[in-house]
Amino acid sequence: SSVLTQPPSVSVAPGQTARITCGGNIIGSEGVHWYQQRPGQAPVVVVYYDSDRPSGISERFSGSKSGNTATLTISRVEAGDEADYYCQVWDSGSDHPYVFGTGTKVTVL
Amino acid sequence: EVQLVESGGGLVKPGGSLRLSCAASGLIFNNAWLSWVRQAPGKGLEWVGRIKNKVDGGTTEYAAPVKGRFTISRDDSKNKVYLQMNSLKAEDTAVYYCTTVRSTIHFDNWGQGTLVTVSS
Repeated sequence: SSVLTQPPSVSVAPGQTARITCGGNIIGSEGVHWYQQRPGQAPVVVVYYDSDRPSGISERFSGSKSGNTATLTISRVEAGDEADYYCQVWDSGSDHPYVFGTGTKVTVL
Repeated sequence: EVQLVESGGGLVKPGGSLRLSCAASGLIFNNAWLSWVRQAPGKGLEWVGRIKNKVDGGTTEYAAPVKGRFTISRDDSKNKVYLQMNSLKAEDTAVYYCTTVRSTIHFDNWGQGTLVTVSS
């Protein structure tokens, strides 16, 4: 099955921009979805289909993709953005169709 | 607003069984595809399995680590989905989340999770 690789951690100062990458061979051919998981809470989708944002999610969250790498960008980072972030794709050709990335811990300095 | 509320978690011995429930509200349950995702302590997210709605066949799919041991079912009359877990192993210890599946490919609503601990 597919593998999605994320950096284990990203540190960013308040007001700056955080960029979280997600790499994998399948990314070039499938939509990428991003989830935020604050400590002790359930995940929440913050970007879907590479760059769409659900209603209620801050416009500070944006997604993009180039080749086999997807990027979640958090602009004007706030303390409340400190969380774990996971990318996810649907691998239609696999018997394990829902693949999550390894996760990235975003720390706000 | 969609709400998913899991229940049924707890401590169980290796080899034992447990059934998790997920009660849904705020959505047309009959139309929903539903999934279970788990998270071992301090680890990442892992998809467990999915059940389609009846119109799409009501079929299930499972991740390899749980295939043959776990079974997902649904009761549309009660707006509930279940995860029957048999032959539990220590590595099944995790928080189990109930989710809705949007457009086949991603998870748009999540419950708060229920903790399953497999230990002697």
